[in-house]
Amino acid sequence: SQTIHQWPATLVQPVGSPLSLECTVEGTSNPNLYWYRQAAGRGLQLLFYSVGIGQISSEVPQNLSASRPQDRQFILSSKKLLLSDSGFYLCAWSAGSDTQYFGPGTRLTVL
Amino acid sequence: GQQVMQIPQYQHVQEGEDFTTYCNSSTTLSNIQWYKQRPGGHPVFLIQLVKSGEVKKQKRLTFQFGEAKKNSSLHITATQTTDVGTYFCAGYQELGGGSNYKLTFGKGTLLTVNP
Repeated sequence: SQTIHQWPATLVQPVGSPLSLECTVEGTSNPNLYWYRQAAGRGLQLLFYSVGIGQISSEVPQNLSASRPQDRQFILSSKKLLLSDSGFYLCAWSAGSDTQYFGPGTRLTVL
Repeated sequence: GQQVMQIPQYQHVQEGEDFTTYCNSSTTLSNIQWYKQRPGGHPVFLIQLVKSGEVKKQKRLTFQFGEAKKNSSLHITATQTTDVGTYFCAGYQELGGGSNYKLTFGKGTLLTVNP
């Protein structure tokens, strides 16, 4: 069966510090991968999605970036965090256009 | 661009009462998906509707897809405290090409249930 992992589960970072969140998927090949941010426990904002290694599409311009160095690995990064980057970051995968399966998420607090 | 509107934003009910959340898209959808997020958790897939006018049931949950494939609803009969959470709809729209599509989430409806 397929599983999706995210780490860390929680993170507290100072403003201006770098960020690296990792997501890995097991049990499937060539998944579509997504990064979402959920602020204030509500709506899901799609940040990035990837249909293959090295292929990244950005939905919202911001100080975040994403990379996909391996087929089942998706990384969300920032060089300098802002207060507004606080939120719940969710990684998800899908097999093409099928259902999206979400990871457990990372709660990021920027102080 | 495609927009998916979901109402209401919040709904508080007494245990045993019914609950409905509605989802409307600005464009015709290929399918619509529903997800549930428990407090502190991550969204979990519930169901996918594909056909015009489709109705699916999962125990006390009834999902409908409109005839025009632009709206959908989720109805819960006789709510229980375990139903608490945020319910999201997500509309899938093909933009052309094998992998060219877009899944747009509504903002969700937060359901609280008073025991």
